[in-house]
Amino acid sequence: QKEVEQDPGPLSVPEGAIVSLNCTYSNSAFQYFMWYRQYSRKGPELLMYTYSSGNKEDGRFTAQVDKSSKYISLFIRDSQPSDSATYLCAMSGVGTNDMRFGAGTRLTVKP
Amino acid sequence: DSGVTQTPKHLITATGQRVTLRCSPRSGDLSVYWYQQSLDQGLQFLIQYYNGEERAKGNILERFSAQQFPDLHSELNLSSLELGDSALYFCASSVRGGTAGDTQYFGPGTRLTVL
Repeated sequence: QKEVEQDPGPLSVPEGAIVSLNCTYSNSAFQYFMWYRQYSRKGPELLMYTYSSGNKEDGRFTAQVDKSSKYISLFIRDSQPSDSATYLCAMSGVGTNDMRFGAGTRLTVKP
Repeated sequence: DSGVTQTPKHLITATGQRVTLRCSPRSGDLSVYWYQQSLDQGLQFLIQYYNGEERAKGNILERFSAQQFPDLHSELNLSSLELGDSALYFCASSVRGGTAGDTQYFGPGTRLTVL
């Protein structure tokens, strides 16, 4: 079993839909949770960053962390074609720089 | 543009050969990370350097080595290349690198193809 599990998709939604992306993990030491967006042929770019449990909102994006269930989510409201990309979850523990990434979910938002 | 630069963009070589990938971090960032991204393994952390010193090691093969120079640029050396080493290699940098949560900024990557 991988430390971080993420459904690779692909996921296809119509423009304006609410998108839900999820990851589960097994290492209870993880405290920092991140979502990266990666466009084709580009490097990952940090979208959201959350420490420990809770919700964080930034514009159309909301990140949720449920440490009791070892489950994190990223919601995208009013999705746009420009949101079409691969979304990777990542996490790490306190005192370490070793980030573990999910496999990435490929999202396509159709106009 | 993240501010992290990587050269070359593409590299095609043969099995058994050795290549060097180069990374320049964002201005002011002291820490450099190397990652490998392949279709079957996803994004894998290889190694981290902080201000010239090795800070953390991930799933890096013995055939691979890295270093960070006094001007903070970094090089990843891959030797005795195998077909399975074909992948995207990313460099990332961060300001401190001393604690988790220090935001990492990724470069555009080097695509390595081993024939």
